[in-house]
Formats: sequence, structure tokens, C-alpha cells
Amino acid sequence: NAGVTQTPKFQVLKTGQSMTLQCAQDMNHNSMYWYRQDPGMGLRLIYYSASEGTTDKGEVPNGYNVSRLNKREFSLRLESAAPSQTSVYFCASSERTGSIYEQYFGPGTRLTVT
Amino acid sequence: TQLLEQSPQFLSIQEGENLTVYCNSSSVFSSLQWYRQEPGEGPVLLVTVVTGGEVKKLKRLTFQFGDARKDSSLHITAAQPGDTGLYLCAGARVSSGSARQLTFGSGTQLTVLP
Repeated sequence: NAGVTQTPKFQVLKTGQSMTLQCAQDMNHNSMYWYRQDPGMGLRLIYYSASEGTTDKGEVPNGYNVSRLNKREFSLRLESAAPSQTSVYFCASSERTGSIYEQYFGPGTRLTVT
Repeated sequence: TQLLEQSPQFLSIQEGENLTVYCNSSSVFSSLQWYRQEPGEGPVLLVTVVTGGEVKKLKRLTFQFGDARKDSSLHITAAQPGDTGLYLCAGARVSSGSARQLTFGSGTQLTVLP
């Protein structure tokens, strides 16, 4: 039971390049999330998917697109990378317990845009 | 402006000391969670508090949710080097309309020296 997995772990891009960050979970959770973490800023929600077939913008969606490929997989795409997108990206999944959604995180992707 | 303010931002103490970390907001939360994050890894959920005034204990860690559900605290008794990490609070804002969307604080970096 791997939980939430992310690939790649590290990536360096040049400004204007594109890439897709992959995320998969094996906990049969309905909801999945993409966050970015910057020093002193905590985690900020980029996009989330409440269930297969749906996606919604979070706090900082500009410059990103997402795809909920199936119940297990949720990918994040940067179409034209910018230095401001240098960050650590975390994928998470959750399932509802009563009124609470407790989130389980992957190990992160460290992205540098030069 | 951070919706959830954590203090202190950094804390370095000796093994055996006690400490308290605070998480404050002007917003009301339907639930509040505490996570611990170690270098190179994703956050790991420690506890969820739901009811105003609720106190939960996890071994040497005591978590409290404020009566008005706007703030929370984490108290660690007799800290150990294994407690070292980034502690993050995260809340589901009542005004967001979705318990899925968590607002994260910027974190408290705790170092416990042997």
C-alpha cells in the first residue's frame, strides 16, 4: 500500500518549457489536490478534484492545468513554466469521515525554473 | 495576508523542555488539523479537532481548539529530538463552503537539541 506517489521527485526546467507532474493514490479516495509550498507561505491550493470527472480552482490556479485521469490519478501541467513557479509541489488525497476531510500527502516534486 | 497565522515561526529548544505553538485566525473553522512535515517529505496528519474547546492528546502532544473555533494550540511536553520538524495547522473555513478546501498556516519550524 504505497499511499500517494508522485513523479518526478526533482525537475529543472527552462522558462517557457512545459511539463506534467504525475500523482497517483491507491487508497480509493474520491478527492485529490495539488498544492505548492514556498518558504514562509505554508501550502497553497492550486486545484482540486472532488471526484472523478470534476476539477475546481483553488487559491493559486494561474499558469496551471489539471486532469483527473481516473479515480487514482490526478496530473498537474505547466504549459509555459516561469521562474515564479519554482516551488515544491505536493499532491494529496482525502476521503470524507463525517464532516471532515483528512488529507494524505505524497512526498513532493521539487521544481526549479531557470 | 495569511488567513491562519502561526507563531512562533521558528523555535529551538533543549531536549526535555515544554513548548506551545499557536495558530490564530479571524475566520471560523469547521475543523482544524495539525500536520508535521520532515525535510524532503510531505506533511503527515497528527490530529483533527472539530468541536470548540476540544482537547486531544497524542502521547506528549496536546492539541486544543478554541471555544470560538478561530484558533488552536499545540503543546509538547518534554520535547525530544524526534519531535523536530515543521508543524502546520490547517483549517476548513466555514465561509469557503467546502470542507475539502484547507487553509494552511505558514508553519512553525521546531528544532529540539539533544
